[in-house]
Amino acid sequence: AQKITQTQPGMFVQEKEAVTLDCTYDTSDQSYGLFWYKQPSSGEMIFLIYQGSYDEQNATEGRYSLNFQKARKSANLVISASQLGDSAMYFCAMRVLPGGFKTIFGAGTRLFVKA
Amino acid sequence: EADIYQTPRYLVIGTGKKITLECSQTMGHDKMYWYQQDPGMELHLIHYSYGVNSTEKGDLSSESTVSRIRTEHFPLTLESARPSHTSQYLCASSESGGYGYTFGSGTRLTVV
Repeated sequence: AQKITQTQPGMFVQEKEAVTLDCTYDTSDQSYGLFWYKQPSSGEMIFLIYQGSYDEQNATEGRYSLNFQKARKSANLVISASQLGDSAMYFCAMRVLPGGFKTIFGAGTRLFVKA
Repeated sequence: EADIYQTPRYLVIGTGKKITLECSQTMGHDKMYWYQQDPGMELHLIHYSYGVNSTEKGDLSSESTVSRIRTEHFPLTLESARPSHTSQYLCASSESGGYGYTFGSGTRLTVV
């Protein structure tokens, strides 16, 4: 069975500093995708970044980067130069690829950015 | 500007009522999903669809039903609402072979 674990219920970071949100996963599948989503207090889910299990380089999207360590089954999200608008819930997720229909989500980490 | 729309945004309804949560997307995506999320908690898949006339139940046991008569429309129906249905319902879509999901703004349902 697949599982996503996010061990940090809440995190604080000072504005303009970098922060790492932890995510570990468990799967017996060889081909899968890892995702991070942001959920502001308004409730919508925003797709941030994707990493394929066969990708050799870590994914980056603007201020977001994914620190992928396959042997450790970890897929940590790094946010550089934090902004007040980054305060939100962040969810790590996984889906078997190709063709997987079901994305499973972790319990989330709430990030607070301090001015 | 949203490409996937959910209505209503908020709904308070009495026990036993029948309700339909609407979800429409303008992106032509084949795959659509309904997730249930309690506040600050993880998402649970309750229904998904591969395309028109194709729907399946997800992991979370749900007393809801869905239909997919048109590509763009994926409504969720509760025949008889109960307080245990109080939650946020998120609709999402993705293109075949695509990666990330596009989510709607969600419907926050309260059953009293």
